[in-house]
Amino acid sequence: GAVVSQHPSRVICKSGTSVKIECRSLDFQATTMFWYRQFPKQSLMLMATSNEGSKATYEQGVEKDKFLINHASLTLSTLTVTSAHPEDSSFYICSAREGGLAGQETQYFGPGTRLLVL
Amino acid sequence: DAKTTQPPSMDCAEGRAANLPCNHSTISGNEYVYWYRQIHSQGPQYIIHGLKNNETNEMASLIITEDRKSSTLILPHATLRDTAVYYCIVRVALAWMDSSYKLIFGSGTRLLVRP
Repeated sequence: GAVVSQHPSRVICKSGTSVKIECRSLDFQATTMFWYRQFPKQSLMLMATSNEGSKATYEQGVEKDKFLINHASLTLSTLTVTSAHPEDSSFYICSAREGGLAGQETQYFGPGTRLLVL
Repeated sequence: DAKTTQPPSMDCAEGRAANLPCNHSTISGNEYVYWYRQIHSQGPQYIIHGLKNNETNEMASLIITEDRKSSTLILPHATLRDTAVYYCIVRVALAWMDSSYKLIFGSGTRLLVRP
């Protein structure tokens, strides 16, 4: 299957600072990328959908000014957690949609980034 | 909200088939059923998807009932490395782009493969 990478894999930061997480589709172009968050022992929660060259669409309850998403190219999307607080500590996972016949697209996931805010 | 129901946990013996059920009684005619799994502290891994016909690939088989209200993921010869949380997901179409979608995860089934 297609490969999606994330960087960094793990980050520790101080409260009040901003953290940027990169998501790359390595062997395909992704017009649509998705960002999820996962707390311990819980399922993945979709945060936002981003399309290359346009604004991201955020799920209800997700603050767009706190979680800035940029999808500037067909292979790169970034998530910036601004003014991070301890409650933002979580496992952030991106995914990218590989194109295909309408209805046949497959979504591939990155390995995740574990964020710890002190 | 997730549109699927799965048992919270299952177990099977190594080398035996693992049959993971999923109920999706409200599925629409043009919605696909996707299966992913997540091994601890990793991103989800795509397994298989289908619309109405049974599907098979190198990882698993997907059996969808004729009324499409339920499906079963079959791992034919489970190994210890198959221990993971398995998610059955009905693809939700984005209203503004017919050919796109987003995957909404439910709580999944925690499969434990015993030696």
